[in-house]
Amino acid sequence: GAGVSQSPRYKVAKRGQDVALRCDPISGHVSLFWYQQALGQGPEFLTYFQNEAQLDKSGLPSDRFFAERPEGSVSTLKIQRTQQEDSAVYLCASSLGRVGGRAGYEQYFGPGTRLTVT
Amino acid sequence: SQELEQSPQSLIVQEGKNLTINCTSSKTLYGLYWYKQKYGEGLIFLMMLQKGGEEKSHEKITAKLDEKKQQSSLHITASQPSHAGIYLCGAVNTLIQGAQKLVFGQGTRLTINP
Repeated sequence: GAGVSQSPRYKVAKRGQDVALRCDPISGHVSLFWYQQALGQGPEFLTYFQNEAQLDKSGLPSDRFFAERPEGSVSTLKIQRTQQEDSAVYLCASSLGRVGGRAGYEQYFGPGTRLTVT
Repeated sequence: SQELEQSPQSLIVQEGKNLTINCTSSKTLYGLYWYKQKYGEGLIFLMMLQKGGEEKSHEKITAKLDEKKQQSSLHITASQPSHAGIYLCGAVNTLIQGAQKLVFGQGTRLTINP
């Protein structure tokens, strides 16, 4: 089956532009995470969805960052008025979560979107 | 303060040698993930450990979790060039309604010399 996919793979934005990054999780996965990875660092948690509900957005660095998952599958991370410090790789991960009596917590990551703000 | 420390930060070994990467958490561990990442790519899931004393193996890679010490180690036996990459540990310190929020270490860059 298909893994997690993300688009675009690369995005160059001029400072001040808005960008939208897309994540297609593994089919049937309830949980969806967004992480930000700066160069040479490990990923840092941004936000988490369980189906369409955003249960944790404590990692979003500012109110310029907004994420949604309106139908509980595809998710979009939007960054408004991009700044140079937003340059990073944005990773999406999904996991089965808890479905009925079955729990699957392994998080599978997409290839990421490399955002460069000039 | 660093919640999750990996050591070493980089490692160069001769092909065929064994190696160990360590991951230590300053907080209680509910689980520990190991991933491998190549430049420009996403994270490849290796193993997930959830119980104290748990040990898992896949091909030549073995990971162990010491819950009391809040540590995990990743051991590669008879290293090969295909093992080269960045190894990341991700700790589960918080549970969110059935999901696991991961905090990552800074990674260990592994180079295998032929």
